[in-house]
Amino acid sequence: QSALTQPPSVSGSPGQSVTISCTGTSSDVGFYNRVSWYQQPAGTVPKLIIYEVSNRASGVPDRFSGSKSGTTASLTISGLQAEDEADYYCSSYTTSSTYVFGTGTKVTVL
Amino acid sequence: QVQLQESGPGLVKPSETLSLTCTVSGTFLTSHYWSWIRRPPGKGLEWIGYIHSTGSSSYNPSLKGRVTMSVDTSNDHFSLRLSSVTAADTAVYYCARSGSPYFYYHMDVWGRGAAVTVSS
Repeated sequence: QSALTQPPSVSGSPGQSVTISCTGTSSDVGFYNRVSWYQQPAGTVPKLIIYEVSNRASGVPDRFSGSKSGTTASLTISGLQAEDEADYYCSSYTTSSTYVFGTGTKVTVL
Repeated sequence: QVQLQESGPGLVKPSETLSLTCTVSGTFLTSHYWSWIRRPPGKGLEWIGYIHSTGSSSYNPSLKGRVTMSVDTSNDHFSLRLSSVTAADTAVYYCARSGSPYFYYHMDVWGRGAAVTVSS
């Protein structure tokens, strides 16, 4: 299985919005609403932030939102803050009963 | 509070077998999928596979043939064995709770990670 495709990096100034895309296939992102997003600041453990495309995990600020159209899911961070600087990964359950992660996106706060 | 803790050797020789155990506390292993995920230095996350509390499993096709997972519900732990390792298997290995059939399909609890280096 191939990794889901994400842009290597995105950046924005504090207060701006950034969007990370996650492109898969009709066997993963396009088949199920079982897309999740994870945040991993440098040197830390990945943390679930979005599950089932658009549901925020417990304690996650509402400036994080998720959506999906066809085979592409997206994570938007509105009102970017310094603490949002991290690597972000999407993931999807697949029709082969496996999981697949995205290639990862580094978010930089300018 | 659900907690996961990886344990195992931090150094493995090439061609040998990497073995890690994940000990679960604060919940039972029943009815959930339990995954292993790794992150090689300078690279992204890679899902290795999962095992269900019943013993059924699913592995990443790119690693199939080298991966074996097992679960011990009596002692609240599950394990990973990766055979014929090379330097490319050097990574931080994470265990994670990764869903429940028909209920949810995401990694909601992660261990702190175990760094494994493959080197002679």
